[in-house]
Amino acid sequence: DTEVTQTPKHLVMGMTNKKSLKCEQHMGHRAMYWYKQKAKKPPELMFVYSYEKLSINESVPSRFSPECPNSSLLNLHLHALQPEDSALYLCASSQSDGTNYGYTFGSGTRLTVV
Amino acid sequence: QQPVQSPQAVILREGEDAVINCSSSKALYSVHWYRQKHGEAPVFLMILLKGGEQKGHDKISASFNEKKQQSSLYLTASQLSYSGTYFCGTDPPQGGSEKLVFGKGTKLTVNP
Repeated sequence: DTEVTQTPKHLVMGMTNKKSLKCEQHMGHRAMYWYKQKAKKPPELMFVYSYEKLSINESVPSRFSPECPNSSLLNLHLHALQPEDSALYLCASSQSDGTNYGYTFGSGTRLTVV
Repeated sequence: QQPVQSPQAVILREGEDAVINCSSSKALYSVHWYRQKHGEAPVFLMILLKGGEQKGHDKISASFNEKKQQSSLYLTASQLSYSGTYFCGTDPPQGGSEKLVFGKGTKLTVNP
């Protein structure tokens, strides 16, 4: 299995809702990432998990809360989002920490906050 | 520190060649290249590590000039399937930081 699977593919949520994005990989990768991508922009790093521990938080607002239950799963919990948070949220994984290995991206969750 | 890509966009006819550049104001440890088609996830093309190596993948190759702090992606005899936005990703010189920062991208359009 050489894929990163993200669910749901699309999500519409109100500003008072709580929702979660899920990401799963079975490649034995030990580093997992959340990126945010706005239209016609590059992916922007949000969080990095290395060996199931949060190693980088790019000063992301607390309304985004990551969780890594095990080495194959990565969640992003969303609460009280703003319309400007609407974007494509990409999960990625790589063989190990550091940037010596290419990233495998999931197809993303397209989030719309209304 | 976000790397700078050039050109921002390029339009080719099938079979033509293209070069996409990625440069940084700081020393680089590694350079990644990805292609993203509209509505799809970025796809990893290749990685170049400090040492000035050159890599190839089919008719796509890349070089990494450590002294000039830049990398170039070469697309030879372009195919329609090469269309998409190409991103380079770089990380700080100490390496191992897990922090890959992407350039703004180069939109490549290959026409028949």
